[in-house]
Amino acid sequence: RKEVEQDPGPFNVPEGATVAFNCTYSNSASQSFFWYRQDCRKEPKLLMSVYSSGNEDGRFTAQLNRASQYISLLIRDSKLSDSATYLCVVNINDMRFGAGTRLTVKP
Amino acid sequence: EAGVTQFPSHSVIEKGQTVTLRCDPISGHDNLYWYRRVMGKEIKFLLHFVKESKQDESGMPNNRFLAERTGGTYSTLKVQPAELEDSGVYFCASSDRASSSYEQYFGPGTRLTVT
Repeated sequence: RKEVEQDPGPFNVPEGATVAFNCTYSNSASQSFFWYRQDCRKEPKLLMSVYSSGNEDGRFTAQLNRASQYISLLIRDSKLSDSATYLCVVNINDMRFGAGTRLTVKP
Repeated sequence: EAGVTQFPSHSVIEKGQTVTLRCDPISGHDNLYWYRRVMGKEIKFLLHFVKESKQDESGMPNNRFLAERTGGTYSTLKVQPAELEDSGVYFCASSDRASSSYEQYFGPGTRLTVT
């Protein structure tokens, strides 16, 4: 079983749609959680950290369920510029990456 | 503020040759990380420097890989001799915090192709 599992997608959605990504992790000792965004042939960039209480940044909402070892990312009112691969990242002693979920937002 | 830079951006070498990748972290960042993404797989941690010391090198695949960070500034990752399975994108990241619980800033990566 992979340490961090994500639905690989691809997710193809129209502009304005709401899309949700899920991620599960296997190690209950995981300490911190992130969503990174990676554009094609570019480096990963931090989108947002994920806190137990859930957190929101504009159109983006992240949730963490430690009991279920589950993380989610919700994107509302999708924009063309949201097209990218979204990486779920879990920190134990070092960063463990999911394989990413590819999102394409179409006009 | 300049970001993390990596050199070269792309390297094509033959099996058995040696390649050295370089990473310049953000100025003042004591923590430097190397990661690798091979085709079709997730990004994997290789090692972590705090200044010039190796804090964690548990992700290094084998002894063909040697990372250094003399003087605690830039870092090099040497692969000698390169094998076909070493092909992939090598990312460097830096952070000003000791724990990897904090944001890491990634460089653009070096795409290594071993033929």
